[in-house]
Parts: sequence; structure tokens; C-alpha cells
Amino acid sequence: AAGVIQSPRHLIKEKRETATLKCYPIPRHDTVYWYQQGPGQDPQFLISFYEKMQSDKGSIPDRFSAQQFSDYHSELNMSSLELGDSALYFCASSLQVTDTQYFGPGTRLTVL
Amino acid sequence: KQEVTQIPAALSVPEGENLVLNCSFTDSAIYNLQWFRQDPGKGLTSLLLIQSSQREQTSGRLNASLDKSSGRSTLYIAASQPGDSATYLCALESGGTSYGKLTFGQGTILTVHP
Repeated sequence: AAGVIQSPRHLIKEKRETATLKCYPIPRHDTVYWYQQGPGQDPQFLISFYEKMQSDKGSIPDRFSAQQFSDYHSELNMSSLELGDSALYFCASSLQVTDTQYFGPGTRLTVL
Repeated sequence: KQEVTQIPAALSVPEGENLVLNCSFTDSAIYNLQWFRQDPGKGLTSLLLIQSSQREQTSGRLNASLDKSSGRSTLYIAASQPGDSATYLCALESGGTSYGKLTFGQGTILTVHP
């Protein structure tokens, strides 16, 4: 069965650079969520989209922005990267908002 | 604000034992509760989803229960195997305007030794 696809899987950036993470949800899933998991931490909700509109927002820094496109894929844009942004970034998708969320393998971002 | 606590933080058991992982939450106004498994450095695999109107869900050797009134959920693993070793996370989708957003517990690190 098709799963959530995230790219890239690994990313290394310098401080103050920008990064773009991509997420391709499971086909027919119209809801996408982004989570950040720091080392030894539980995942923290960043932002979600339903039918290409932002549906909820968590503790996402102003330096981050995201959007969902017409084909339902989503991109998380991160600017002015800081050392503390180093984490695993997960994307999840669901068929409906209160349905099971299926997580992608994550993008490991390392900021040097 | 929803707070999720998992006990114990770590658990080590011999192969074949039945075990229970606990999850407690402070706000009973939830849509659902989901149990995940996470292997080191890997993504999250959904194990079971319990809707707020349900009391339990079963999948193979796994059984999850939900008691909203007491703010508790348990994940029961029968006949544990070394391959069950992983971090188990519970996550809640709360009601109100935050539907969709999952709030996670800190996880229980399970080690099943042969």
C-alpha cells in the first residue's frame, strides 16, 4: 500500500540558511500534518492543512511557513535556520481530520 | 491545555511476557486516541486508533483500552517478542478547535530480551 512520502530524507544546512521539506500524502488523503521531533523528545505539532487551507497551527516559529498545493502535497519552508531547528520532521496524512494519521519516514534536518 | 503522561518511561521484560503500557491525559474532551510504535531514528507506525465513543480496539497481540472518565488508556501486549522492542507513544486528538492536532506522550521504551 502507498505510504506518505517525504523528501529529502536527510538534510544538512548551515545556520541562517533556508530549507524546504516536501511531503506527499497517501492518495485520496486531503489532510496533511507537520510535526517536529527533537532529540529524545516526543513529536510536537507544527501545522496542518485540510483541502489546501491551513486548519490548525501549533508551536511553529514565524521563520517557518507551509502550504498545501492543488495536488495535496505540502511543503514546509524554514528560513534563518538555527541550531535548535535540528530535528526529525514528520509529515502525516489522513483521509478525514479525525481519522488515523499515517506518518511518513521523516526528514532528518541537521543545522551546523 | 492537554497533557499526556506515559508510565513507565522504560520497561525491560523477558520474551513471552504479557505487559501493559499506560497513558494518562488531563482533558477528557478528545476525539480519539492513537497508539504508535517508533523504532530508533525511524518514523511512527500507527498501531491502534480508539475513537472517543469506543472502549477498546484489538489488533493481533495488541489490545488498547480507553476510559475517558478517568483519563486513561492502556496498551496490552500479549506474548511479547524481541521484535516488539521499540518506543511506544500514545497520542490524543483533542476536541474543540484543535481537531486533527495530536498531542503526544513522552513514550515508553520497551525492551524485550530473548
